[in-house]
Amino acid sequence: AQSVAQPEDQVNVAEGNPLTVKCTYSVSGNPYLFWYVQYPNRGLQFLLKYITGDNLVKGSYGFEAEFNKSQTSFHLKKPSALVSDSALYFCAVAKDTGRRALTFGSGTRLQVQP
Amino acid sequence: NAGVTQTPKFQVLKTGQSMTLQCAQDMNHNSMYWYRQDPGMGLRLIYYSASEGTTDKGEVPNGYNVSRLNKREFSLRLESAAPSQTSVYFCASSERGASWGTDTQYFGPGTRLTVL
Repeated sequence: AQSVAQPEDQVNVAEGNPLTVKCTYSVSGNPYLFWYVQYPNRGLQFLLKYITGDNLVKGSYGFEAEFNKSQTSFHLKKPSALVSDSALYFCAVAKDTGRRALTFGSGTRLQVQP
Repeated sequence: NAGVTQTPKFQVLKTGQSMTLQCAQDMNHNSMYWYRQDPGMGLRLIYYSASEGTTDKGEVPNGYNVSRLNKREFSLRLESAAPSQTSVYFCASSERGASWGTDTQYFGPGTRLTVL
């Protein structure tokens, strides 16, 4: 069975500082990895995904994520945080064989302080 | 272009009542999904439909039924609501069949359901 772990319930960072939201995964076969963001009382919005190729993936709003196969990680990063980045972030994984349904992590709340 | 829409936004039910959550997408997507979101548990897949006329169980299907009415619409029915079904329900869609794990899913705004 595939699974995703987001080890931090909450990440606090000051505006202008770099941010990292951690994600590790477990899946048999090659993974497809996604990051979604959820603002209060809204649905999830797609940020970026890794399918194949370059391990560094760039996405919306200045976010990027690095796929590390040996560490089975897909951490989300941004060089300079904004207060408006405060939201709930979900990592998700699908696999490249069989039923490729998405499995989501439990989410990490990012709080950016002015 | 509204994307994925859901009705209602909020609903309160008593135990044993039934209701149907409606979802529609205008992106001509083949696949549609129903998830529930509970605190600290992320999103869990209830049912999905890879194409018009097909539906399959996800991770937590018990107590739910679905209908893929046409390509645009995918409804979720609770026949006899239970307090354990108190949750936020999200509908999503993606372009190709559900076996295409590379596809981005697009989410609706959610329905907040409380069962007393």
